[in-house]
Amino acid sequence: GAVVSQHPSWVICKSGTSVKIECRSLDFQATTMFWYRQFPKQSLMLMATSNEGSKATYEQGVEKDKFLINHASLTLSTLTVTSAHPEDSSFYICSASKTGKEDEQYFGPGTRLTVT
Amino acid sequence: GENVEQHPSTLSVQEGDSAVIKCTYSDSASNYFPWYKQELGKRPQLIIDIRSNVGEKKDQRIAVTLNKTAKHFSLHITETQPEDSAVYFCAALNTGGFKTIFGAGTRLFVKA
Repeated sequence: GAVVSQHPSWVICKSGTSVKIECRSLDFQATTMFWYRQFPKQSLMLMATSNEGSKATYEQGVEKDKFLINHASLTLSTLTVTSAHPEDSSFYICSASKTGKEDEQYFGPGTRLTVT
Repeated sequence: GENVEQHPSTLSVQEGDSAVIKCTYSDSASNYFPWYKQELGKRPQLIIDIRSNVGEKKDQRIAVTLNKTAKHFSLHITETQPEDSAVYFCAALNTGGFKTIFGAGTRLFVKA
């Protein structure tokens, strides 16, 4: 199998606080994980590519100091939204690729973030 | 930059009819083309994919065709069922760079 979990599934936080989202590959090792953002009725927008043991590669327009990504092990990547604002409210989805088969992505269930 | 265009944005068909969703891509180096199905509030699920060395692939009621010259690929669903109702995303990837570009999505409604 290829199961990816995300935690939490939803979170509500106050403006100015930070929120950490975890993405785990449960039954395989993932050298590469991806973080996406999805607005209602819109497509998936790649935010960054996370490689185990190295710095994440951010897409143009994504603030690396605001969206901190850590990929400390082959099964875990975290996304921390720092100093969250209401406009950061969104559905955040991670995906993971099996080591050696980086083209095939397995998606997590997503995390719905609401910033009040 | 790289771009994937997807049409139509909304598609409504009668149960049992066929549905076709079309995508075009801009990066000629793209060589892997997955299709995902996303139900409301759930994760995207890979339903079929095709690589650039193949022109067509079929899996039961689902088929995908690829025209590399035209940089065009399509998803075909036959004998549609109400449970096929979802949003479908096409995507294109250059496996040398591992960056997947998604289409905007097609909302498919299958009426019983």
